[in-house]
Amino acid sequence: AQTVTQSQPEMSVQEAETVTLSCTYDTSESDYYLFWYKQPPSRQMILVIRQEAYKQQNATENRFSVNFQKAAKSFSLKISDSQLGDAAMYFCAFDETYNQGGKLIFGQGTELSVKP
Amino acid sequence: DAGVIQSPRHEVTEMGQEVTLRCKPISGHDYLFWYRQTMMRGLELLIYFNNNVPIDDSGMPEDRFSAKMPNASFSTLKIQPSEPRDSAVYFCASTPQGAGGANVLTFGAGSRLTVL
Repeated sequence: AQTVTQSQPEMSVQEAETVTLSCTYDTSESDYYLFWYKQPPSRQMILVIRQEAYKQQNATENRFSVNFQKAAKSFSLKISDSQLGDAAMYFCAFDETYNQGGKLIFGQGTELSVKP
Repeated sequence: DAGVIQSPRHEVTEMGQEVTLRCKPISGHDYLFWYRQTMMRGLELLIYFNNNVPIDDSGMPEDRFSAKMPNASFSTLKIQPSEPRDSAVYFCASTPQGAGGANVLTFGAGSRLTVL
């Protein structure tokens, strides 16, 4: 069965600094999608970034980028120039049904705090 | 678009009572998902629908849980009878069906259920 592991329950970063959140996954599939979702205290789940497994190029969205290592089954999220509003729980997610969009398996989450 | 709309936002009930959670997906989205979030188990998929038809309900914990989607704009998740261990945040999410793979889930704000 596919699994997603986030080994860092909590992380902390100084405002304006860079932080990297780790995620590993296990699958026998070759085509799939990976996501990072953000959940602030409001509990709304917000998409941060998406990576398609068949693309070698790492996805980037403004201050957010990923380091996707398909062979190692690793998918880390880098947040540059951290802002106070980045404080939230971050979930890594894996889409196991490539052609039936959205059946996500989530990691346990990493709680990120940002220090002013 | 108003996004995915869930009601109620908060529900407090006593053990044994029936609970009904409601969801209105984004218009035009073909897939609808119900997720449950707890501290112990994280985010787990309960059931999902495609074009109003249940596709996979393997995540539904037991017969006390049932979900319906009578039309494209409305779904319910019902728990009868409720138990304290059902206390959780229940998310509804939707996504359009697209060619070539997964689409991004849009989540509702969640319904926080407390069963006393």
